[in-house]
Amino acid sequence: GAVVSQHPSRVICKSGTSVKIECRSLDFQATTMFWYRQFPKQSLMLMATSNEGSKATYEQGVEKDKFLINHASLTLSTLTVTSAHPEDSSFYICSARDFGQGYANTGELFFGEGSRLTVL
Amino acid sequence: AQTVTQSQPEMSVQEAETVTLSCTYDTSESDYYLFWYKQPPSRQMILVIRQEAYKQQNATENRFSVNFQKAAKSFSLKISDSQLGDAAMYFCAYSENNDMRFGAGTRLTVKP
Repeated sequence: GAVVSQHPSRVICKSGTSVKIECRSLDFQATTMFWYRQFPKQSLMLMATSNEGSKATYEQGVEKDKFLINHASLTLSTLTVTSAHPEDSSFYICSARDFGQGYANTGELFFGEGSRLTVL
Repeated sequence: AQTVTQSQPEMSVQEAETVTLSCTYDTSESDYYLFWYKQPPSRQMILVIRQEAYKQQNATENRFSVNFQKAAKSFSLKISDSQLGDAAMYFCAYSENNDMRFGAGTRLTVKP
């Protein structure tokens, strides 16, 4: 199957600083990527849809100025948590759909390994 | 908006036995996809099984099978011959080939 990689897997930062998380599709081109957030013992909540070459689409209640998404190439999307606070501590997961290998007709998403953010 | 409901926060099964995890969803669409994903302690999301709504035949992947009832909007997962490695969080998910929405999850414990 298609491979999606996230970096870093773990990051600890001080309150007020910004943190960037990268999501890469390693063996396919992803025009669209999705960013999810998962609090402990909870489900994955869609934050935003990242579109290559255009602005991201944010879900209701997600602050677009706090969670900056850039999708500058077909293989890379970045999520920047700006002015992070302890309540932003969470597990962030990206995913993408591989349209190049017939997966477009299956609806399947391929997920990165996730990034655990801890804000002190 | 589409919603996915998993009414069993936790389930337990004896090794080698069978367990069924429940999932219901709400949609006004006729074409969509349903999934079961497994999330072990590593937090990596692993696809277990997939079902296309237009297919009447229930999907099967080795020990995993689904009972898809489109009219009832129900999509349960049956795990046969449960193994210790099946212990994980299981998420039911819905997609219309754009984004994907998840249920709250069911934590499955497998007892030796």
